[in-house]
Formats: sequence, structure tokens, C-alpha cells
Amino acid sequence: QKEVEQNSGPLSVPEGAIASLNCTYSDRGSQSFFWYRQYSGKSPELIMFIYSNGDKEDGRFTAQLNKASQYVSLLIRDSQPSDSATYLCAPKGDSSYKLIFGSGTRLLVRP
Amino acid sequence: GAVVSQHPSWVICKSGTSVKIECRSLDFQATTMFWYRQFPKQSLMLMATSNEGSKATYEQGVEKDKFLINHASLTLSTLTVTSAHPEDSSFYICSAYKGEGVDTQYFGPGTRLTVL
Repeated sequence: QKEVEQNSGPLSVPEGAIASLNCTYSDRGSQSFFWYRQYSGKSPELIMFIYSNGDKEDGRFTAQLNKASQYVSLLIRDSQPSDSATYLCAPKGDSSYKLIFGSGTRLLVRP
Repeated sequence: GAVVSQHPSWVICKSGTSVKIECRSLDFQATTMFWYRQFPKQSLMLMATSNEGSKATYEQGVEKDKFLINHASLTLSTLTVTSAHPEDSSFYICSAYKGEGVDTQYFGPGTRLTVL
């Protein structure tokens, strides 16, 4: 079992729709969860992080965390073509600075 | 802000030569920096963790004699790919840990290495 699992996609949604990106992780010791966006040929950029169960909203983005189910998701409201990218989920353990990246989900937002 | 730079942004070299990549935190001090490698259509793979003033910690399967890491100051870490071969061609990305609040890593823009 991979440490971090994401559906590779592509996930295709129309412009203006809600995109839902999911991630499951195996390490129950993970405390913080980061979502990064990576455009083709570029390095990752931080979208948001979450460390408490429940929802966290930041603009059009909402992260959801359920530690009991070892599940974290990212919702993108009012999706725009510029949101088309690969989204990487990265849990972090409590005792380490290391991030373990999932393989990412490719999102395509159709105009 | 939290800006991390890398130099060079791309490099082409002949097989057998060595290549040095620099990673700098421009507006903060980074006690810890990380080096990742990413092959096409694959995720980021952590190569090593670099702490200022001490030896780097390499991930399993990464050859420490081939990928030399030096973290000489709180704002600079270097990765040297020694005796590069075509299979070392990849996208090398560094990140820096800012060390405050939630421990977020900030990524450099990456260096694309092509070994002929």
C-alpha cells in the first residue's frame, strides 16, 4: 500500500463547477496535511494546509480532514481554466519535517 | 514573504561531468532544506534533508557519494551531481523550511538537468 494515494485523473470539470480532489494516507501519525498545486514544468506551490479535523476554507479552496478515516480532500469552488494543474497531497508526520507526496491528481477545467 | 531561488534553472552537460545546483532562501533563514527529484509524469521524490552545519540525511536508495549536499549557511544549500549520466536527467527541486508557525516548506522554481 502506498503511503499517500491520489487518483491520477485527469479529473475534468466545466468552468464554474466544484472540483473535488481526494487523498488517503496510511501513516496514522500524520499531523499536518498540505495541498500543493503544480503546473506542468513548474515547481509546486502551496495552496493550503490543514491540521484539525473538519473543514478549513481559504477563498475558493476548502480543505477537509478526517483523521479517523485517514482522508483529506480539497474542494475548489467556481473552478477556472487557470486551476488546471496537478494537485499534490502531502501529509507530514509529527516528529519529522518531511513531506510525503502523493502522485497527484491532474485537474482539467474546461472553458 | 518566503522566496526560494535556484540556480541554474536549467543545465545541459556531458556524461561524466559534475553539476552544482544552488538553492537559496532569499528573505528568511532556513535551518532545514530539502532536495527532491521529479521524473516526467511522476511525483516528487525526496532525496535528502539538509541541515545547516551538519551532514545531510539521505533517503533510502539515494547515493550519497553521487549526490553531494552542502548546507554551508542558513540561506544556501547546494546539490552536486557527480559524474552525471543520462539517467540522472531530471527536474531537481529544493525546498526550505521557514521554521515558524505551521512548518510549511517553500519550494524553489526547480532546475532541469539534461545529461547527454
